[in-house]
Amino acid sequence: QKEVEQNSGPLSVPEGAIASLNCTYSDRVSQSFFWYRQYSGKSPELIMSIYSNGDKEDGRFTAQLNKASQYVSLLIRDSQPSDSATYLCAVNGGSGGYNKLIFGAGTRLAVHP
Amino acid sequence: AAGVIQSPRHLIKEKRETATLKCYPIPRHDTVYWYQQGPGQDPQFLISFYEKMQSDKGSIPDRFSAQQFSDYHSELNMSSLELGDSALYFCASIKGLNTEAFFGQGTRLTVV
Repeated sequence: QKEVEQNSGPLSVPEGAIASLNCTYSDRVSQSFFWYRQYSGKSPELIMSIYSNGDKEDGRFTAQLNKASQYVSLLIRDSQPSDSATYLCAVNGGSGGYNKLIFGAGTRLAVHP
Repeated sequence: AAGVIQSPRHLIKEKRETATLKCYPIPRHDTVYWYQQGPGQDPQFLISFYEKMQSDKGSIPDRFSAQQFSDYHSELNMSSLELGDSALYFCASIKGLNTEAFFGQGTRLTVV
């Protein structure tokens, strides 16, 4: 079992819709959670960080964390074609230590006009 | 704002050669992570440094070594290169522990 699990997709949504991306993690003591966006051949770009249970909103993005369920999600409102990319969930601060950011396999999002 | 600088951006080496990748973190950031990403794969953690000391190690081959210098830049040394080492190599810069990591543009290594 991978430490961080994501559906590979592709997740296809129409322009203007809400895209919902999900991630589960196996290490219960994980402390910090991140969403990165990665375009093909480019480096991961940090979108959101979340450290405590609940919701965190930043512009069109909302991250949700539920530590009891070991689940973190990302909502993208008013999706745009430029949001089409791979979204990587990443987890740090687990039993492996605080200097080891572990990524999921990523979910490909396709926003069509 | 200053970003993470990686050099070179592209590198072509022959099998069994040696390569050195460099990473210059964001000013005042004291932690560096190194990752390898093959085509269609997620980034695989190689090694991390905090305050110039190795702090964690992932799936880094014995042929690879790395260090962080007094100015906090880091170098990844790769010897006896194999075709399978062809990948994108990213470093990430972090201030402290367990906080947001910012990635450099990456080095694309091609081994022929």
